[in-house]
Amino acid sequence: GAVVSQHPSRVICKSGTSVKIECRSLDFQATTMFWYRQFPKKSLMLMATSNEGSKATYEQGVEKDKFLINHASLTLSTLTVTSAHPEDSSFYICSANYRGKNTEAFFGQGTRLTVV
Amino acid sequence: DAKTTQPPSMDCAEGRAANLPCNHSTISGNEYVYWYRQIHSQGPQYIIHGLKNNETNEMASLIITEDRKSSTLILPHATLRDTAVYYCIVSSSDSSYKLIFGSGTRLLVRP
Repeated sequence: GAVVSQHPSRVICKSGTSVKIECRSLDFQATTMFWYRQFPKKSLMLMATSNEGSKATYEQGVEKDKFLINHASLTLSTLTVTSAHPEDSSFYICSANYRGKNTEAFFGQGTRLTVV
Repeated sequence: DAKTTQPPSMDCAEGRAANLPCNHSTISGNEYVYWYRQIHSQGPQYIIHGLKNNETNEMASLIITEDRKSSTLILPHATLRDTAVYYCIVSSSDSSYKLIFGSGTRLLVRP
């Protein structure tokens, strides 16, 4: 199956700093990528839909200035958590759909963010 | 909000079939039924999806009722590695196939 790679897999940062998470589709083009966050023992919560070459669409309640999403190419989307605080500590996961096809979404392995 | 309901937990014996139900009574005509699973601290893994017809692949079978209001995921010979949270999701091109996760079913496969 297709591969989606996230980097880094784990990151620890200090309060007030910003952290960038990368999501790459390694062997296919993805016009649409999605970003999720997951708290312990909870389900995945969709944060935003990222479309190549256009602004991301954020779900209700997700601060767009806090979680900056850039989808500059068909294989790369980035999520930047700005001015991180301990409550932003979470498991962040991205997914990517094949370009123009109704098929399964492929998920990255996730990024564990800890803000201290 | 998720448009599906699933039992919170189930268990089955290793080697036996695991049948995971899902209710999606408000499904629209163009919405597909997707099944994913998540093993602890990993990204979700695609299992199978379907529209109307029953589907089978190397991992599982998907049985969709004729009225499409419910479906069942069947793992024919469950192994310990199938212990995971299983999510049933409906989606379509109208929403760019975005996946809204509900609570899922926590499947425990017993030795």
